[in-house]
Amino acid sequence: DIQMTQSPSSLSASVGERVTLTCRASQAVTNLLNWYQQKPGTPPKLLIYSTSTLENGVPSRFSGSGSGTEFTLTISGLQPEDFATYFCQHSHNPSFGGGTRVEI
Amino acid sequence: QVQLEQSGAEVKRPGSSARVSCKASGDIFRTSSFSWVRQVPGQGLEWMGRVFPVFGSTTYAQKFQDRVTITADSSTATTFIDVSRLTSNDTAVYYCTRERLSGVFHPWGQGTPVTVSS
Repeated sequence: DIQMTQSPSSLSASVGERVTLTCRASQAVTNLLNWYQQKPGTPPKLLIYSTSTLENGVPSRFSGSGSGTEFTLTISGLQPEDFATYFCQHSHNPSFGGGTRVEI
Repeated sequence: QVQLEQSGAEVKRPGSSARVSCKASGDIFRTSSFSWVRQVPGQGLEWMGRVFPVFGSTTYAQKFQDRVTITADSSTATTFIDVSRLTSNDTAVYYCTRERLSGVFHPWGQGTPVTVSS
């Protein structure tokens, strides 16, 4: 099975900052890489799929890139509502990374 | 707009079974597959398996193959997950989610907490 590893596990940032979250796969996963945002007490929310396609309604400050085994989620200009935990996920035999918690 | 409504919280004894349901609204049930994902408190997300109602087919994560059954009732647009031989390690929030594309999960149900305790 493909293992997904996210780094860092948590980070502290300020409003307006640019932050980059990393997701590494144990083997090449083509572009079948998705990102979700989760806030406490709520289900995950799809942000980006197929590495870089923004889900409808997701602000353009979110972007995704990568290929092979390394992928990134970038938030350009962190907003107060962006403080949450972010999970990457591989589409095939779906497996999730452990998450990155973005804190103030 | 697709919405998924899950059944309420459950408290179960070790060794028993739990069933969680997930009703879909919107005309997507017959053309979609649905997955179940669980989240142990304070931890990450774990995919358990999926059902494709129109084909009646299921796929399970290897870890859950012998304890989990996922079914679907097209007449009520509802999917179910049954987890048997519960232990405290199964205490988690269980989510259903529609696969909008293969392996792309949107939307999600609100989650159903299942607590296993003696």
